[in-house]
Amino acid sequence: EDQVTQSPEALRLQEGESSSLNCSYTVSGLRGLFWYRQDPGKGPEFLFTLYSAGEEKEKERLKATLTKKESFLHITAPKPEDSATYLCAVQGGGATNKLIFGTGTLLAVQP
Amino acid sequence: KAGVTQTPRYLIKTRGQQVTLSCSPISGHRSVSWYQQTPGQGLQFLFEYFSETQRNKGNFPGRFSGRQFSNSRSEMNVSTLELGDSALYLCASSLDGTGYGYTFGSGTRLTVV
Repeated sequence: EDQVTQSPEALRLQEGESSSLNCSYTVSGLRGLFWYRQDPGKGPEFLFTLYSAGEEKEKERLKATLTKKESFLHITAPKPEDSATYLCAVQGGGATNKLIFGTGTLLAVQP
Repeated sequence: KAGVTQTPRYLIKTRGQQVTLSCSPISGHRSVSWYQQTPGQGLQFLFEYFSETQRNKGNFPGRFSGRQFSNSRSEMNVSTLELGDSALYLCASSLDGTGYGYTFGSGTRLTVV
C-alpha cells in the first residue's frame, strides 16, 4: 500500500537556524513527489514537484531533494514568515491520479 | 491568472441535512479532484473528475458524490450529514490529473452540528 510519513511532526526554529524536514514514502511507480505549504485556514500552496531520484529544486530559502525512498525539504536561514505546515504527497503509478499525503510538519520560526 | 475558486468558504449544517460545495478550476484545467482534510486523518482523496466523468474514487461512503460540468466546474454533494463530516473540503485542479500544475483552492470549511 502506498504510504507517506513525515517527520518531525512539529519543529520550532530560531530565525536564521537552518534545518530539514523529512518525507519517507512507499509507492508503486512514483510519478511525482510534491511539497506544499499550508497556512491555517487556507488550502495547500504548491512549492515543488520532483520526479526522479537525484532531482533537486530550489525556491528562495527552500530546497527540495529526492532519493528512491525519501525527500528532504531544506530550509536555509528561515524567517518568521516561513512558519506554516509543510505537506508532502506522492502520486503513484496506478490507474488513479490521487495524491497520497503525509500528515505534515508544523514549522514555527521565532524571531 | 485566476486560481481555483471554491464556494462557499464556510458552511454550518445540521445533522441529517445535505450540502453542495462548488469548485471552479483554473482556466484550461480539465481535471478536478476533491479532498477531505481533518486533524486526525489529514488529506484524504474523495474523487476525481475529468471531462465530466468520474475517473477515480476514494474510500468514502456513497453519501459523498460529485459531478462535473462541461465548463469543468465541479460540485460535491454530501447527503445525510454526520458530525464526522465536519472538515475542510479542498478542491484541486490540473490539466489532466497528473502532477503538473496540481493546484488547490482555499477550501470550504464545513461544520456539522
